[in-house]
Amino acid sequence: AGLTQPPSVSKDLRQTATLTCTGNSNNVGDQGAVWLQQHQGHPPKLLSYRNYNRPSGISERLSASRSGNTASLTITGLQPEDEADYYCSAWDRSLSAWVFGGGTKLTVL
Amino acid sequence: EVQLVESGGDLVQPGGSLRLSCAASGFTFSSYAMKWVRQAPGKGLEWVSYISDTSSTIHYADSVKGRFTISRDNAKNSLYLQMNSLRAEDTAVYYCARDFFDSWGQGTLVSVSS
Repeated sequence: AGLTQPPSVSKDLRQTATLTCTGNSNNVGDQGAVWLQQHQGHPPKLLSYRNYNRPSGISERLSASRSGNTASLTITGLQPEDEADYYCSAWDRSLSAWVFGGGTKLTVL
Repeated sequence: EVQLVESGGDLVQPGGSLRLSCAASGFTFSSYAMKWVRQAPGKGLEWVSYISDTSSTIHYADSVKGRFTISRDNAKNSLYLQMNSLRAEDTAVYYCARDFFDSWGQGTLVSVSS
């Protein structure tokens, strides 16, 4: 049982995109989720720790949060380089496993 | 600078075995848990296995349990994944990642096909 992410989101340049990741009380609702960005042909890159802090070097245009069993990643002032696949992941204490969302493809129009 | 370099990927027949390695540098390897994550062609990310800093705690995804074995050698700053009884569905790029997913290697391709 993985996490649920919308397959695709499209937004205009300089607009705001909010990506969601829905789990349950055993994963997202328990210890939160991390967010990863992956450009085609490259390895994933961490955007947000489970405590929703950004690693150093990550743009302040990105912010992560959680409400109940749903984690969110908000990207403001969308730029062409934000076009990528975004994944969430969380530790599931009932499965003793890390679970991933299916990923959201963000298109910047 | 943190670096993770995977190696060992190859084309292997169904039922075959392969051992992946991940060489770590730029950080105190022995202080970090590590993970293997894979990505099938055109698909999303799938967690494969986890090993704690001292190897005392190990977890596997159900899809590989009983077939894959994760291990590490802190003296050599290296992480390993022994893959046995390989299936076509194991075909993927395999990444090693540091505990909090904050560093990733470039990946190594495993292809299982006759």
